Amino acid sequence: QQQVKQSPQSLIVQKGGISIINCAYENTAFDYFPWYQQFPGKGPALLIAIRPDVSEKKEGRFTISFNKSAKQFSLHIMDSQPGDSATYFCAASDQYSGNTPLVFGKGTRLSVIA
Amino acid sequence: NAGVTQTPKFQVLKTGQSMTLQCAQDMNHNSMYWYRQDPGMGLRLIYYSASEGTTDKGEVPNGYNVSRLNKREFSLRLESAAPSQTSVYFCASSVGTGKGYTFGSGTRLTVV
Repeated sequence: QQQVKQSPQSLIVQKGGISIINCAYENTAFDYFPWYQQFPGKGPALLIAIRPDVSEKKEGRFTISFNKSAKQFSLHIMDSQPGDSATYFCAASDQYSGNTPLVFGKGTRLSVIA
Repeated sequence: NAGVTQTPKFQVLKTGQSMTLQCAQDMNHNSMYWYRQDPGMGLRLIYYSASEGTTDKGEVPNGYNVSRLNKREFSLRLESAAPSQTSVYFCASSVGTGKGYTFGSGTRLTVV
């Protein structure tokens, strides 16, 4: 069974703090790991993605850390802002074999408070 | 550039009624998907179409049918709605399967 386990379910962070969301997967064939951000009433939108040939990818305040041996990856939001309050989903897919849809984690609701 | 357009945005159905959720994309994407989102359950794949002319079941296909009408359009049909199908439904599309999804804004469906 292809699964992506995401934690925590919810997270409250002070403005300026670091938000960390973790995901773990079982299928070693997964080779593409995106994160999606969803604001209330909107559809999810791609935030950042990583492939397993690198251990870290940074885009602005958002960083993905990837640990291939542990089959884990995480999203770090530095200097968290109230505008970052949203639901975040990790996901994974097997790009090499093709035609496999993304498998999503269950989501983390982040609240950044002033 | 509209991206992925879903209609309707809101719908209330009575148990046993049928309806079709419409989805259209204008990005020339090959693959399209239908997900449902429920509190605490994340995004669960109902059906997907890897390319025009093909459809496949996802994680939760029971009670639904789909039609890939052409490259742009992918519809989801509920033949006999049940309260368990109360959810927010998202359509998405991508160039290739499993990467770079663009989501629509969702359809909030309530079955009473």
